[in-house]
Amino acid sequence: DVKVTQSSRYLVKRTGEKVFLECVQDMDHENMFWYRQDPGLGLRLIYFSYDVKMKEKGDIPEGYSVSREKKERFSLILESASTNQTSMYLCASSLQFYEQYFGPGTRLTVT
Amino acid sequence: KQEVTQIPAALSVPEGENLVLNCSFTDSAIYNLQWFRQDPGKGLTSLLLIQSSQREQTSGRLNASLDKSSGRSTLYIAASQPGDSATYLCAVQNTDKLIFGTGTRLQVFP
Repeated sequence: DVKVTQSSRYLVKRTGEKVFLECVQDMDHENMFWYRQDPGLGLRLIYFSYDVKMKEKGDIPEGYSVSREKKERFSLILESASTNQTSMYLCASSLQFYEQYFGPGTRLTVT
Repeated sequence: KQEVTQIPAALSVPEGENLVLNCSFTDSAIYNLQWFRQDPGKGLTSLLLIQSSQREQTSGRLNASLDKSSGRSTLYIAASQPGDSATYLCAVQNTDKLIFGTGTRLQVFP
């Protein structure tokens, strides 16, 4: 079974802090994705990566950056957390551009 | 720009009913359509994937159909159970992205 893990289920940070969200997959997938999910807005793509050291902006990249130094790990970075980044963050991976497998999510609260 | 709509937004039914969840999309040039289940506070679990060349897929009590020309998909759940209570999301793939609907929140009561 594909397993996608995220470093934290719940996280509370203060405004202005630098925040790292980690995602690891164990199926040697080339593609990895970061989404945020908000009530009434659904899932929105922040960034995705085709391969190591490759990254592409999604629909809402502002205020975020990513890092992919190893194939199995994709990190989302909030350079200076703000309250409007309070959300559920979901990581996913896929072998090709379909059948995405999701992690359990990280609920981030910025106060 | 692709838009995905799911109707109804919420549904509450008694156990044992057969039910249909609807998904519509505006751009028929899709590679595939995927249905997911999401339990409260959890990640997404993939239920069914329909390639653009396919008309339907089945898994147990679930059957998903795809009509690309009309921009519609339905998820049919037979003999619903309380354990089916969750939010169901559909997503279509255009090029390299999945575009999600906002989901249907289903409650099945005993």
